[in-house]
Amino acid sequence: GIQVEQSPPDLILQEGANSTLRCNFSDSVNNLQWFHQNPWGQLINLFYIPSGTKQNGRLSATTVATERYSLLYISSSQTTDSGVYFCAVDDDGSSNTGKLIFGQGTTLQVKP
Amino acid sequence: DTAVSQTPKYLVTQMGNDKSIKCEQNLGHDTMYWYKQDSKKFLKIMFSYNNKELIINETVPNRFSPKSPDKAHLNLHINSLELGDSAVYFCASSRSSQFLWIQETQYFGPGTRLLVL
Repeated sequence: GIQVEQSPPDLILQEGANSTLRCNFSDSVNNLQWFHQNPWGQLINLFYIPSGTKQNGRLSATTVATERYSLLYISSSQTTDSGVYFCAVDDDGSSNTGKLIFGQGTTLQVKP
Repeated sequence: DTAVSQTPKYLVTQMGNDKSIKCEQNLGHDTMYWYKQDSKKFLKIMFSYNNKELIINETVPNRFSPKSPDKAHLNLHINSLELGDSAVYFCASSRSSQFLWIQETQYFGPGTRLLVL
């Protein structure tokens, strides 16, 4: 099955700093999603981005499908950005069944 | 106006008991999922239903039995609970693309924290 690796595993930032989170995957994908799990455990979908670039406020994401990686950019970080960021891809590169394989996550702590 | 809701939020029970977790979505989606998150935060899919039909059934002990009475509901019943079943169980839903067999953005419920003693 497809492998998903995220880096770095942990990240500590000062409020206001920018950061880039990376997700590498081992096969072609038709479905890639970024999620934020806040400290209360809620999983929130940030982007559905199998290819291309999207932006939502201070967050943006880019997926280069041909090179099998995706990047999540967080600008002007705030303490509310703390939590775990997950990248997830569909297990079957030739279809899209919704069977998401999750990376191990990047734990982000933003200090005031 | 919760999009994906789960009950109960917390479940503490003894080994050997049987318990159920319920999930409902009001997003009009046709596909629903169960995921398990272990103590190390690793998320793994367990089951998926599309229009009440089971389409994903991962290697899960047969003590776990999902049931989808309609497109908006997906329940999870667990028999003979074991210590290793302690985890957070998330329900999620998504919509199939209108023209292709493509699942779109998945929306997650708040999770059910199960502790087996």
